[in-house]
Amino acid sequence: GAVVSQHPSWVICKSGTSVKIECRSLDFQATTMFWYRQFPKQSLMLMATSNEGSKATYEQGVEKDKFLINHASLTLSTLTVTSAHPEDSSFYICSARDGGLADYSYNEQFFGPGTRLTVL
Amino acid sequence: RKEVEQDPGPFNVPEGATVAFNCTYSNSASQSFFWYRQDCRKEPKLLMSVYSSGNEDGRFTAQLNRASQYISLLIRDSKLSDSATYLCVVREYGNKLVFGAGTILRVKS
Repeated sequence: GAVVSQHPSWVICKSGTSVKIECRSLDFQATTMFWYRQFPKQSLMLMATSNEGSKATYEQGVEKDKFLINHASLTLSTLTVTSAHPEDSSFYICSARDGGLADYSYNEQFFGPGTRLTVL
Repeated sequence: RKEVEQDPGPFNVPEGATVAFNCTYSNSASQSFFWYRQDCRKEPKLLMSVYSSGNEDGRFTAQLNRASQYISLLIRDSKLSDSATYLCVVREYGNKLVFGAGTILRVKS
């Protein structure tokens, strides 16, 4: 199956710093990438959807100025958590699919291994 | 009301047991349905898609009832390696996946 990598796998930072998480599709071109967040014992919650070369679409309640998403190429998307605070500590997971948002047939989303962020 | 609801469990079963999980979803326009498996501190992995006609993959059987907006997963002959959290997932318009919070399964020897 398709492989999606994330870097770093875990990060610990001080409150107020910014953290960048990379998501890469290794063996396919990811027209669409998704960013999720999962708090302990809760479901994965979609934060935003991005198509390569265009602005991300954020879910309701997710601050676009705090969670900056860049999908500059067909194999790389980045999520930057700006001025991170302890309440941002979570498991951040990206997924990627080969297909645009206009493609309504289902192409499986392939998930990255996740990044565990701890903000002190 | 949550969009996808599951019993969080945990379901503690002995090896060899049969166990069933249920899930309900609120959006009648949901397009596709899946069961994912998530191991502790790992990413979710697709276990199987779910169809109205019912589908089986080895020891796993999934069923969808669109009228009741209800999805089920049956695991037969449980193995220790089946211990995980099982996520009920629906796909909505635009390829958005909505996840349930998961049902924890613990298989014990």
